[in-house]
Amino acid sequence: QVRLQESGPGLVKPSQTLSLTCTVSGGSISSGSYYWSWIRQPAGKGLEWIGRIYTRGSTNYNPSLKSRVTISVDTSKNQFSLKLSSVTAADTAVYYCARVPDVFSDWFDPWGQGTLVTVSS
Amino acid sequence: DIQMTQSPSSLSASVGDRVTITCRASQTISSYLNWYQQKPGKAPKLLIYAASNLQSGVPSRFSGSGSGTDFTLTISSLQPEDFATYYCQQSYIPVTFGQGTKLEIK
Repeated sequence: QVRLQESGPGLVKPSQTLSLTCTVSGGSISSGSYYWSWIRQPAGKGLEWIGRIYTRGSTNYNPSLKSRVTISVDTSKNQFSLKLSSVTAADTAVYYCARVPDVFSDWFDPWGQGTLVTVSS
Repeated sequence: DIQMTQSPSSLSASVGDRVTITCRASQTISSYLNWYQQKPGKAPKLLIYAASNLQSGVPSRFSGSGSGTDFTLTISSLQPEDFATYYCQQSYIPVTFGQGTKLEIK
């Protein structure tokens, strides 16, 4: 059973870069054909898709964040990562990583438990 | 981007009730529509994928239907553990979610 776990700093200063890692356990990140995604949720609000990376490295990003987002994969560590630059208070949210089991039809399962990132000086 | 609109935004119901939540897309999305349940402090959980396919392990009282622009999630007989927030999500890039429907106990 595949499990995902987010990790990274819980507090980031404005204008700095938010960096998170998602560790995949219970299976190899490079086995099968999957996308691996990041999604975020501000407190009390809805879900926003950030982007995805294919096992072999191709990426897609939300146009609203594209200029600030980089998603990468490290197959040797069974991890994929998110970098979001020039953060502001509006980037404060719970960040989730998730697997996309079907490359032809994005749905998300499973999800990590989520990690809260606060942007504040 | 494709906009997803759920209705209602909130709903009060009782255990045993039949409940329907609707989701409308701003343009046709075929059957590329998924449903999630989220409880406070927890990650969303996939319930239905590709409009009508029940995810493994999800109780059969949950069902989904629709295609094109209009979709529904139905809970046939509400159980206490079903009180949560429900989100629809369309699969075209960029992926977008509905604003959520909060299901509360009456």
